[in-house]
Amino acid sequence: NAGVTQTPKFQVLKTGQSMTLQCAQDMNHEYMSWYRQDPGMGLRLIHYSVGAGITDQGEVPNGYNVSRSTTEDFPLRLLSAAPSQTSVYFCASSYSAGTKNIQYFGAGTRLSVL
Amino acid sequence: EDQVTQSPEALRLQEGESSSLNCSYTVSGLRGLFWYRQDPGKGPEFLFTLYSAGEEKEKERLKATLTKKESFLHITAPKPEDSATYLCAVDPGNQFYFGTGTSLTVIP
Repeated sequence: NAGVTQTPKFQVLKTGQSMTLQCAQDMNHEYMSWYRQDPGMGLRLIHYSVGAGITDQGEVPNGYNVSRSTTEDFPLRLLSAAPSQTSVYFCASSYSAGTKNIQYFGAGTRLSVL
Repeated sequence: EDQVTQSPEALRLQEGESSSLNCSYTVSGLRGLFWYRQDPGKGPEFLFTLYSAGEEKEKERLKATLTKKESFLHITAPKPEDSATYLCAVDPGNQFYFGTGTSLTVIP
């Protein structure tokens, strides 16, 4: 059982470039989310999805785009990368967004924007 | 505003020296409080979920407790392999809010 798989593990971008961070889960989880982790800031929610075709914004959504066409995949798109988006990105999933949910995290994507 | 504060930011313990980590929170309607462990270069790993004041859960050398305003993660007789960052998160609804974590170092 692979759990939550994120690709790539590392990425370097130039300012203005676009890219997609991939996230896939094989646990048939309804709820998926993207976080960024910065020193001294903790994990902050970017976007989340409660099921295929349904997405919503989290705490820090600007500069990012998401879609959820299948239960398994939840890609995160950087439209025009900026140095402020240098961070470690984590994808997480859980059975539901309601009570008693436990989020399981991927290993992360380390992104540097020059 | 929903908020989670963890203390201390960093903690160094001698092997076998017990201590506690604190997570205080202010949320409108707590549905669950979660403790995670994060090793360098890895994603957070789930440890415990607590749902109501007075609840306690244990796993090996770790014990988590919950009151109406805070949670404690007690570490009894820690070993070097317990060294990690411990994260606390609260779930008031559709979103998790995380604290900034406590970095624990256990010295042999």
